[in-house]
Amino acid sequence: DAGVIQSPRHEVTEMGQEVTLRCKPISGHNSLFWYRQTMMRGLELLIYFNNNVPIDDSGMPEDRFSAKMPNASFSTLKIQPSEPRDSAVYFCASSLLAGSYNEQFFGPGTRLTVL
Amino acid sequence: DQQVKQNSPSLSVQEGRISILNCDYTNSMFDYFLWYKKYPAEGPTFLISISSIKDKNEDGRFTVFLNKSAKHLSLHIVPSQPGDSAVYFCAASAQGGGADGLTFGKGTHLIIQP
Repeated sequence: DAGVIQSPRHEVTEMGQEVTLRCKPISGHNSLFWYRQTMMRGLELLIYFNNNVPIDDSGMPEDRFSAKMPNASFSTLKIQPSEPRDSAVYFCASSLLAGSYNEQFFGPGTRLTVL
Repeated sequence: DQQVKQNSPSLSVQEGRISILNCDYTNSMFDYFLWYKKYPAEGPTFLISISSIKDKNEDGRFTVFLNKSAKHLSLHIVPSQPGDSAVYFCAASAQGGGADGLTFGKGTHLIIQP
């Protein structure tokens, strides 16, 4: 049974370049979340979708960040242009929307390094 | 301003003894609390949860206690095993967790000594 799939696992890029992170949620899950982990701020929510619709993007740090969910099985997080302070581990998570009190299942993360 | 706080960055416990990890929160709207375990280079893994209508939830060696009046929860691991060595995150949600984002503490690194 496949869990949340993220690609790439590691990304090294230069400042100013566009970066696209990808996520495939667990089949049947209706909610998808993007988190970022840094030493300074810990794990913080960037944006989440319910039934492919963005619900809360207040955690997105700047307009350089954007996220899409074109269908129930795919989401992207894009940074354009990237900056060194964007270096972090980015996690995608999914959960069931129906009912309440459902845990979120996390992918393995993408470690982004911006030089 | 941190709404979920784990004040102990690390905790060392002998194998076989009880591990107690603590978590405090400030937002009274939180109604669902979770503990996640994380190994290096992996994503957080769900461990156990509790809703605000309960004060205790148990699953095998893991028990979570919730004290709403003190806005405090704790995770007890009995007995502690070497495989429990990991970073533990406390998380909270205001809408039941499934349809809402989680607010995380900064984690406690648990080290189980043989």
